[in-house]
Amino acid sequence: EAQVTQNPRYLITVTGKKLTVTCSQNMNHEYMSWYRQDPGLGLRQIYYSMNVEVTDKGDVPEGYKVSRKEKRNFPLILESPSPNQTSLYFCASSLFGGPYNSPLHFGNGTRLTVT
Amino acid sequence: SQQGEEDPQALSIQEGENATMNCSYKTSINNLQWYRQNSGRGLVHLILIRSNEREKHSGRLRVTLDTSKKSSSLLITASRAADTASYFCATDAGAGNNRKLIWGLGTSLAVNP
Repeated sequence: EAQVTQNPRYLITVTGKKLTVTCSQNMNHEYMSWYRQDPGLGLRQIYYSMNVEVTDKGDVPEGYKVSRKEKRNFPLILESPSPNQTSLYFCASSLFGGPYNSPLHFGNGTRLTVT
Repeated sequence: SQQGEEDPQALSIQEGENATMNCSYKTSINNLQWYRQNSGRGLVHLILIRSNEREKHSGRLRVTLDTSKKSSSLLITASRAADTASYFCATDAGAGNNRKLIWGLGTSLAVNP
């Protein structure tokens, strides 16, 4: 089944403890992206990757890192999480050329709580 | 207000009725997409309509685009309880390095059995 898989689904952690949220897609998509979704603020893009070894900042990249060593994986790293990073995170992918002409496929989300 | 602003914020209807939600935007666009999000889940793509198109259909969904009014509408006909979800428009605007997909805040639709 074609899908975007994120893990974990729920994560509770403490301030400053490094964490990684994994994202993997099995559709051979070139484009991958991370979003966070917060009430009243909607979906905001954190980082995106047009292809392997190519990553760019989105609208809210501060406090996050990403890497794209393989086409299928796009992990999101929080080196020193803070409470303001408590949010619902989504990984998404699309075939090529960004999310403009081909639809985004979303994972089921990771709900992160930082205390 | 921001690009891709949905209206209404919330809508409650009875099963079998039609649901209409609107999206307004400020700048000219390349295309506009609609997505659905069930509670706490990932978004699912519904329809993409290009700036030179006026109407598209997909099953019970009908999307219109009026570029002169900078607005789009999503109509769900003969609604079902399973249509209960949030609906988002995303506008593709700009070009080259300035091209962005901008998300609205969504319309929350409740379809009552």
